[in-house]
Amino acid sequence: DTAVSQTPKYLVTQMGNDKSIKCEQNLGHDTMYWYKQDSKKFLKIMFSYNNKELIINETVPNRFSPKSPDKAHLNLHINSLELGDSAVYFCASSQAGKNWAGNTIYFGEGSWLTVV
Amino acid sequence: SQKIEQNSEALNIQEGKTATLTCNYTNYSPAYLQWYRQDPGRGPVFLLLIRENEKEKRKERLKVTFDTTLKQSLFHITASQPADSATYLCALSTGGGNKLTFGTGTQLKVEL
Repeated sequence: DTAVSQTPKYLVTQMGNDKSIKCEQNLGHDTMYWYKQDSKKFLKIMFSYNNKELIINETVPNRFSPKSPDKAHLNLHINSLELGDSAVYFCASSQAGKNWAGNTIYFGEGSWLTVV
Repeated sequence: SQKIEQNSEALNIQEGKTATLTCNYTNYSPAYLQWYRQDPGRGPVFLLLIRENEKEKRKERLKVTFDTTLKQSLFHITASQPADSATYLCALSTGGGNKLTFGTGTQLKVEL
């Protein structure tokens, strides 16, 4: 069973389109994340939700909107896609409380987004 | 400014040798430091966690040190094998909600 699963794995789309990436975890964790890995392999946090509550919101364009319908799901919607949005987006989860630190993060396999 | 820097170039070593990877940070005071492994086309996988009051942590062939004075962590793989070839990422706890900030990563290649 895949612990953190995200779909689609590959996504090629045109500039200006709107797209979503879905994520689900079956680990029973309270916290979920979206990370972005750019072409230089630098992994940067975008958002974090704890029990459906947004707790980390880094400096990300408003075109990116996360949605957590329940604590096992965290989806990422991107409006008006730009060339610079091309990257690998990783969903992740951890057994962390709102103010916790030092917990292991479990990553999904990534979603490769290419904007043309 | 805040930085987390790892060996900037790829590290090539011979099978059986010890690989040592470096993670240096500035303007952070992390309570925890973690190391992850990432294979091509895959997500990062957790390896080890070390707390600020621990000097060293071991797990099988892996050893991590954490020097909060030098602001540095060293990651060692002893008796390295070609299967250890991957990118290794250090990550610092930099905020609540288990926020992890990752370093730039070091690509390790273990040759026969």
